[in-house]
Amino acid sequence: AQSVSQHNHHVILSEAASLELGCNYSYGGTVNLFWYVQYPGQHLQLLLKYFSGDPLVKGIKGFEAEFIKSKFSFNLRKPSVQWSDTAEYFCAVNPTSGTYKYIFGTGTRLKVLA
Amino acid sequence: NAGVTQTPKFRVLKTGQSMTLLCAQDMNHEYMYWYRQDPGMGLRLIHYSVGEGTTAKGEVPDGYNVSRLKKQNFLLGLESAAPSQTSVYFCASSSASGIQYFGAGTRLSVL
Repeated sequence: AQSVSQHNHHVILSEAASLELGCNYSYGGTVNLFWYVQYPGQHLQLLLKYFSGDPLVKGIKGFEAEFIKSKFSFNLRKPSVQWSDTAEYFCAVNPTSGTYKYIFGTGTRLKVLA
Repeated sequence: NAGVTQTPKFRVLKTGQSMTLLCAQDMNHEYMYWYRQDPGMGLRLIHYSVGEGTTAKGEVPDGYNVSRLKKQNFLLGLESAAPSQTSVYFCASSSASGIQYFGAGTRLSVL
């Protein structure tokens, strides 16, 4: 079955620390990849996406992610986190082979200490 | 711009009661989705629709029904609510671009 794994369930960092959140998926075909963020009390919003081309994609608020096809991974990074990055982060995969379904990971709760 | 609007925002039900959650989008999107979000389990797809008049089962469809009579609306029904359906429900819509836009969520408690 297709699945998305986010191995870090809870992450606590101090401001200015670097962030890397892992995301691995299990699907052999071509996929679209997403990171969504849910700030406290808010709905999910798109952070960044990868469809094709340059495997290093940049999103909003200084976030970036790298697609490594051989590792089935799409890790999220930010060089220096801020207190306002405190949120829950979800990785999502959409197989491109004729399905419109999206598979979400279980999420990573990030807390940034001021 | 309204985007994706969900009603109601909160609801408390007794076991066995029924209710309908409404999702409305004003972006002329073809695709609409209903998810439930539970602690430690992320978002799980309940049902989805690829166009007006069509619906399909997602990962956790049991106990729910949906209808897409109009392109802009996607209704999620609980015929006989159970405590296991206590959750936060999110609706989303997307165009062929693949980017999903989410509503603010409905927090449902079933006692």
